[in-house]
Amino acid sequence: DAKTTQPPSMDCAEGRAANLPCNHSTISGNEYVYWYRQIHSQGPQYIIHGLKNNETNEMASLIITEDRKSSTLILPHATLRDTAVYYCAHSNYQLIWGAGTKLIIKP
Amino acid sequence: DTAVSQTPKYLVTQMGNDKSIKCEQNLGHDTMYWYKQDSKKFLKIMFSYNNKELIINETVPNRFSPKSPDKAHLNLHINSLELGDSAVYFCASSQLQATYEQYFGPGTRLTVT
Repeated sequence: DAKTTQPPSMDCAEGRAANLPCNHSTISGNEYVYWYRQIHSQGPQYIIHGLKNNETNEMASLIITEDRKSSTLILPHATLRDTAVYYCAHSNYQLIWGAGTKLIIKP
Repeated sequence: DTAVSQTPKYLVTQMGNDKSIKCEQNLGHDTMYWYKQDSKKFLKIMFSYNNKELIINETVPNRFSPKSPDKAHLNLHINSLELGDSAVYFCASSQLQATYEQYFGPGTRLTVT
């Protein structure tokens, strides 16, 4: 069975970088890695995705290991508004979601 | 303008009733989805439609029936509601199936009493 695992919760100080890990050991060669976040009671929001190379956009950076079995989402300067549940997922014909990491940004 | 909208936002009903949740997207996307999020926040796909055709139908009781009148709409009808159906249901859409970012609606919180 495909399995995506994430730590259930993490804290980060405001202004520091938040590094969220994800293991996707069953990912296959043509599957992308996706990250979404869900702010309380809203629908999940897309953040970033990648295949092999590291990616960066205005929201975050994505680091994918060479064997592609794990990835790290980096929020470079976390703010209080980044408090949310962050989901890692990978896709074949459908997204396989992790259970999410509850990230709490502390002032 | 709301990209993906769902109605109603809250739905409280009794066991055994039949209810529907509506979803509309104005993004011009070809693929739409229904997800169920349980109390532990696990997101699980239920259905995927591409251009009005059913693509994915996960292990979902046949009491759940999606209907797509056109590619901008994907409604979810639930017959004979059970307590275990209580959850938040999210509609989503994407340009292509699964390999592009998905845009989610605000969710419908269904409570079955």
